[in-house]
Amino acid sequence: QVQLQESGPGLVKPSETLSLTCTLSGGSISSYYWHWIRQTPGKGLEWIGYIYYSGSKYNPSLKSRVTMSLDTSKNQFSLNLTSVTAADTAVYFCARSSGYTYALDPWGQGTLVAVSS
Amino acid sequence: DIQMTQSPSSLSASVGDRVTITCRASQNINNYLNWYQQKPGKAPKLLIYAASTLHSGVPSRFSGSGSGTDFTLTISSLQPEDFASYSCQHTFNYPFTFGPGTKVDLK
Repeated sequence: QVQLQESGPGLVKPSETLSLTCTLSGGSISSYYWHWIRQTPGKGLEWIGYIYYSGSKYNPSLKSRVTMSLDTSKNQFSLNLTSVTAADTAVYFCARSSGYTYALDPWGQGTLVAVSS
Repeated sequence: DIQMTQSPSSLSASVGDRVTITCRASQNINNYLNWYQQKPGKAPKLLIYAASTLHSGVPSRFSGSGSGTDFTLTISSLQPEDFASYSCQHTFNYPFTFGPGTKVDLK
């Protein structure tokens, strides 16, 4: 059974970089597409982007600040979001999809990241 | 970006009721539409993909329909475990966007 688990700091200072890792168990990260999504009470669910073995795609609204990477040796993928502000405070989820429907399943449990000094 | 809207934003229903939630896209998305269920403090779970295909393990009381810009999620007989929020998501082009959600609570 494929499971995903997010990890990373729960508090980040304004202007710094938010870094999260998603660890996959029960499958191989060399296949599929690996997504980051965030959720806030005000804006709801927001797709951040995905990475796969031969590329990535980011939401244009975040593209200038987002970098994703894959570590196949550790079965992990990561999100870096630079120059964060309070508006980046959210619950961050990782998820998997195929490359056809891009339907997201499964999801990690989510991790709350607050941006505050 | 394609805007997704949902109606109603919330509804109250009883166990056994038939519930229908509507999702509308701001432009044609063919059938690139997915539905998720989310309970408080939990991650969303995939219910339906490609507008009408039931995800593995999802009870058959859930169904989806539609194509183009208008889509519906129907729960044929609401069960206690179905009280949750439901969101649609398009994957027609980038960026993928979600609807604002519909909260289903107990009448």
